[in-house]
Amino acid sequence: GAVVSQHPSRVICKSGTSVKIECRSLDFQATTMFWYRQFPKQSLMLMATSNEGSKATYEQGVEKDKFLINHASLTLSTLTVTSAHPEDSSFYICSARDAQAFTGELFFGEGSRLTVL
Amino acid sequence: GESVGLHLPTLSVQEGDNSIINCAYSNSASDYFIWYKQESGKGPQFIIDIRSNMDKRQGQRVTVLLNKTVKHLSLQIAATQPGDSAVYFCAENTSGTYKYIFGTGTRLKVLA
Repeated sequence: GAVVSQHPSRVICKSGTSVKIECRSLDFQATTMFWYRQFPKQSLMLMATSNEGSKATYEQGVEKDKFLINHASLTLSTLTVTSAHPEDSSFYICSARDAQAFTGELFFGEGSRLTVL
Repeated sequence: GESVGLHLPTLSVQEGDNSIINCAYSNSASDYFIWYKQESGKGPQFIIDIRSNMDKRQGQRVTVLLNKTVKHLSLQIAATQPGDSAVYFCAENTSGTYKYIFGTGTRLKVLA
């Protein structure tokens, strides 16, 4: 099946620094990728929709200047958490849809756990 | 975000028994649904999907039932195994959009 790779899987950073998380579709092209945030014992909350070659669409309440999204190619989207603070600590997950596939199945990355000290 | 952040309900099932996990979806216009399994510290994995023109779909050891009248989705796992222990989410989608809304999730615990 299609594979989505996220990197890094774990990152610890100091408060005030920025962290970049990459999401790659390894064997398919993804014109659209999605970024989710998941707190412990809770569901996935959609943060934004990343569109290749255009600006991301952010969900209500998600700060676009805080969570920068870039989707520069058909296989790569990046999420940068700027000026990270402890409350940004969370599990961030990306997903992608195969642009050529008939089904609407989303393929998920393994997630990136961010800890801000 | 779109999904509701509530603490996960837990379903405990004896190994070998059947499990039924329920999900109430929110949008009557949703016409595509997926069940995902998420193990601790990992991303969600696809289990089975169903379109709104069907009310039942079977996979290997899993069956999804869709009741559009009451906006309810269920996942049945036959002969539950320890490896089935995980959190299960339903996700809904509306044709023409690529946005998926996730349910609150259910933690399945398989007792030996």
